[in-house]
Amino acid sequence: AQSVTQLDSQVPVFEEAPVELRCNYSSSVSVYLFWYVQYPNQGLQLLLKYLSGSTLVESINGFEAEFNKSQTSFHLRKPSVHISDTAEYFCAVRAPWGNTPLVFGKGTRLSVIA
Amino acid sequence: SQTIHQWPATLVQPVGSPLSLECTVEGTSNPNLYWYRQAAGRGLQLLFYSVGIGQISSEVPQNLSASRPQDRQFILSSKKLLLSDSGFYLCAWSDLGQAGNEQFFGPGTRLTVL
Repeated sequence: AQSVTQLDSQVPVFEEAPVELRCNYSSSVSVYLFWYVQYPNQGLQLLLKYLSGSTLVESINGFEAEFNKSQTSFHLRKPSVHISDTAEYFCAVRAPWGNTPLVFGKGTRLSVIA
Repeated sequence: SQTIHQWPATLVQPVGSPLSLECTVEGTSNPNLYWYRQAAGRGLQLLFYSVGIGQISSEVPQNLSASRPQDRQFILSSKKLLLSDSGFYLCAWSDLGQAGNEQFFGPGTRLTVL
């Protein structure tokens, strides 16, 4: 079975500052990893995912995440945040086979301050 | 392209009343379907998932039930709502044939039980 820990429930950051949202996972097998974003009163949208290959994955809006197998981490980063990045971010994991649901972390609320 | 619909968008119900939330998916066949609940500050809780018509897996024992009467329709029900059933209910689908089997979320239903 897999599990996900998002260490920070809330992260306030000033506009144009860098940010890192932490995600650690636990699994006895290889995994697929995902970051989702949820804007207020909306469903979740996929931000980026790691399936295989390059350990650094990027989204179209400037976020990136790096898969670190030795540290079992998949931290999300952005070098310069905007007000519009204010949202809740969820890390998720699943085994690369079978038909099981994603396992989600509890989420990190990113608040960007002007 | 695939789309997912949920209705109603918001709902206010008295304690003890019944509940029926509906989710439909278009543009795909034989999807995996999921119901999640998101309570304030508690992240995403998987309630039910289904890999086919009439096949429902329950993750959390409670007074809710789910049904899948058609391939692309997933219904969440309750005979008698509790105050603790308040929350944001999200439906999601995934396709085992897609790389990563990532989940796509609907817009959600905000349920308030008074």
